[in-house]
Amino acid sequence: DARVTQTPRHKVTEMGQEVTMRCQPILGHNTVFWYRQTMMQGLELLAYFRNRAPLDDSGMPKDRFSAEMPDATLATLKIQPSEPRDSAVYFCASGLVFGAGGVVNEQFFGPGTRLTVL
Amino acid sequence: LAKTTQPISMDSYEGQEVNITCSHNNIATNDYITWYQQFPSQGPRFIIQGYKTKVTNEVASLFIPADRKSSTLSLPRVSLSDTAVYYCLVGPTGGFKTIFGAGTRLFVKA
Repeated sequence: DARVTQTPRHKVTEMGQEVTMRCQPILGHNTVFWYRQTMMQGLELLAYFRNRAPLDDSGMPKDRFSAEMPDATLATLKIQPSEPRDSAVYFCASGLVFGAGGVVNEQFFGPGTRLTVL
Repeated sequence: LAKTTQPISMDSYEGQEVNITCSHNNIATNDYITWYQQFPSQGPRFIIQGYKTKVTNEVASLFIPADRKSSTLSLPRVSLSDTAVYYCLVGPTGGFKTIFGAGTRLFVKA
């Protein structure tokens, strides 16, 4: 049963600390998404990767957030320095796209990382 | 990107058919319509996707009229476990600029 995994599941940290969230996409998937979910803003797309290359990170605060895919099995989202307003659930999702203009038919979401910044 | 409008919430009873309509007046020619379901403390889960007319799978049906300015997700014979938030997404080919709206909170009662 292929699943997207995320670590850690919960993280409590203090303002100013660095936070790193990790995601293992489903093997063979060539697209990875990072989302943030809060009660006020709902689900927001932060970044999107295809074949490990970042295609869109316009939804991400550039000054403190960074997203990378060191290899096909690992995606990371870092916040440095973290702030209380970053408290949210962060979801990673992966999917499969065929061809340059292919549709992402289905995104498979991980269980999320619940981040609390004090 | 086409904006979507859905009812904020809906109530239903077990065994009933539930239809959730999504408006997307500015849908583009190459946009697909996708629905996701989200339970509390979980990530969204894909339900169904379509481009036009009708699509059916083991979970739901998706009805899309000819003008594609709206779509209706149909859940047959809902159960308590179908209580969740349902999101309608409209996105271009490539689908990476995914915008989840507020969704529709469906509450199924016994």
